[in-house]
Amino acid sequence: AQRVTQPEKLLSVFKGAPVELKCNYSYSGSPELFWYVQYSRQRLQLLLRHISRESIKGFTADLNKGETSFHLKKPFAQEEDSAMYYCALSGGSNYKLTFGKGTLLTVNP
Amino acid sequence: DTAVSQTPKYLVTQMGNDKSIKCEQNLGHDTMYWYKQDSKKFLKIMFSYNNKELIINETVPNRFSPKSPDKAHLNLHINSLELGDSAVYFCASSQLSLADEQFFGPGTRLTVL
Repeated sequence: AQRVTQPEKLLSVFKGAPVELKCNYSYSGSPELFWYVQYSRQRLQLLLRHISRESIKGFTADLNKGETSFHLKKPFAQEEDSAMYYCALSGGSNYKLTFGKGTLLTVNP
Repeated sequence: DTAVSQTPKYLVTQMGNDKSIKCEQNLGHDTMYWYKQDSKKFLKIMFSYNNKELIINETVPNRFSPKSPDKAHLNLHINSLELGDSAVYFCASSQLSLADEQFFGPGTRLTVL
């Protein structure tokens, strides 16, 4: 079975502060990990994926297989980063995407 | 515009009715999905079709029946609607691979009264 845990339902930081959204996963094989974001009144969209190893909008995420984590980080949060963030895992022969319950990030001015 | 589109955007109906939600993608993807997002914003896969064949069928009541007339379309028909069916339903598409991005539609907010 594949499972994704995002322990924080809500996260509030001030503009310019560092932000870390936590994600832990459970999967017996080699998963692919993603972060998706849903801005207010917009559709869900991919933010970044583990396989790309890139930084998008200043966000990075490192896959730690020992800790089974894929935390999302940004050194200096901006107000426009306020959104719902979902960690997701793709695995299995049918490539099912399993989402965590999401973390609502609010960046205060 | 290349995208995933859904109709209708909003659907308000009475308990016991039957309703359909349509989804179309013009991205040339092989695989399409239906997700349900509940009031707590929890997003869960319901169905997935690859080249018109069902490949994922999660524990969903039989009242929900997906139909894929072709690779570009995946419709969701719901019979005998219940209060608990109220949610936002998202359609998505992708190529079928482990690391491919899924592209989501704008969602259909279903309210059952």
